[in-house]
Amino acid sequence: NAGVTQTPKFQVLKTGQSMTLQCAQDMNHEYMSWYRQDPGMGLRLIHYSVGAGITDQGEVPNGYNVSRSTTEDFPLRLLSAAPSQTSVYFCASRQGFRPRAPLHFGNGTRLTVT
Amino acid sequence: GQQVMQIPQYQHVQEGEDFTTYCNSSTTLSNIQWYKQRPGGHPVFLIQLVKSGEVKKQKRLTFQFGEAKKNSSLHITATQTTDVGTYFCAAGGGTSYGKLTFGQGTILTVHP
Repeated sequence: NAGVTQTPKFQVLKTGQSMTLQCAQDMNHEYMSWYRQDPGMGLRLIHYSVGAGITDQGEVPNGYNVSRSTTEDFPLRLLSAAPSQTSVYFCASRQGFRPRAPLHFGNGTRLTVT
Repeated sequence: GQQVMQIPQYQHVQEGEDFTTYCNSSTTLSNIQWYKQRPGGHPVFLIQLVKSGEVKKQKRLTFQFGEAKKNSSLHITATQTTDVGTYFCAAGGGTSYGKLTFGQGTILTVHP
């Protein structure tokens, strides 16, 4: 059971480049989300989805796009990378109809924007 | 939006000493979860508290939820080097579907 799989593990981008961070889960979880982790800031929610075809913004959505075409996949797109987007990104999922269910996190993607 | 303050940001202890981290909210919480992140790793769920005044224990870890459901604490008795990492609280507000608000985290260092 792979759980939540994120790729790539590391990425270096130049300012203005675009890229997609991949996230896939095999637990049939309805709810999926993206967080970024910065020193002293904790984990901040970027976007989340409660099911295929449904997405919504978190607290720091600017500069990021998401889509949810299947239950399994929830990619995060950086449209035009900026140094402020240098961070560690975590994808997390849980059973969607249990708001109090624990989050299952992927191993993270460490992104550096120069 | 909902805010959760977690203190301290850093804690250095000698192995065998106790450790406590606190989470505080200005609003009443529906539930609070605690996660641990080992250095270089990802957050892993530890426990959830739901009821006012609830206390739960996991071996040397004790978790408490305040009577007013606005604060919570995690206490580790007799720390070990395996306890190193960052501890996060994550608060649910009850009205925002699935949106957990994480505290800033407490980074625990244990010196042998």
